[in-house]
Amino acid sequence: AQRVTQPEKLLSVFKGAPVELKCNYSYSGSPELFWYVQYSRQRLQLLLRHISRESIKGFTADLNKGETSFHLKKPFAQEEDSAMYYCALSSSGSARQLTFGSGTQLTVLP
Amino acid sequence: GAVVSQHPSRVICKSGTSVKIECRSLDFQATTMFWYRQFPKQSLMLMATSNEGSKATYEQGVEKDKFLINHASLTLSTLTVTSAHPEDSSFYICGGGRPNTEAFFGQGTRLTVV
Repeated sequence: AQRVTQPEKLLSVFKGAPVELKCNYSYSGSPELFWYVQYSRQRLQLLLRHISRESIKGFTADLNKGETSFHLKKPFAQEEDSAMYYCALSSSGSARQLTFGSGTQLTVLP
Repeated sequence: GAVVSQHPSRVICKSGTSVKIECRSLDFQATTMFWYRQFPKQSLMLMATSNEGSKATYEQGVEKDKFLINHASLTLSTLTVTSAHPEDSSFYICGGGRPNTEAFFGQGTRLTVV
């Protein structure tokens, strides 16, 4: 069975500081990994997926199969980055059927 | 992208009654939709996969008689919580998308059973 672990429930950083949200997964096959973000009072939305290798809003994430990790990074955090971040895994071949991590609440302080 | 609309956003019902949550795909045809449940301060848990024109596929531990799913058209999936109890109080989210794309989510439904 697949599993996604986000060890930090809460993370606070100051504006302009680097931020890293950790995500580890367990899955025996070749997973597809995603980061979803939920801003206050808004719906869950896709931030990035590993196969696209894009940088969205300054965030990047690299899939490390050796460490089974997919950490989310941004070199300079902004206050508007404050949100709930979920790492998710798709094993079914459908990018819409997901196993989510427990989420990390990021707060960027002024 | 794709737009998923969920209704209602909040509902309070009495214990023992049933409540229906609707999930609509506004700009795409959804052969499958996914229903998630989120407990306070916890992650989203996949409950079931809704399949247009056929039976839903439920995850292990989810009572299919308790959580009735109907997907009669390509734009509408419904989740009915039957004989609701306070422990069914939760945040329910539906999601879907075009084939081979990422998931798009509804705004969620906060169910409170009193």
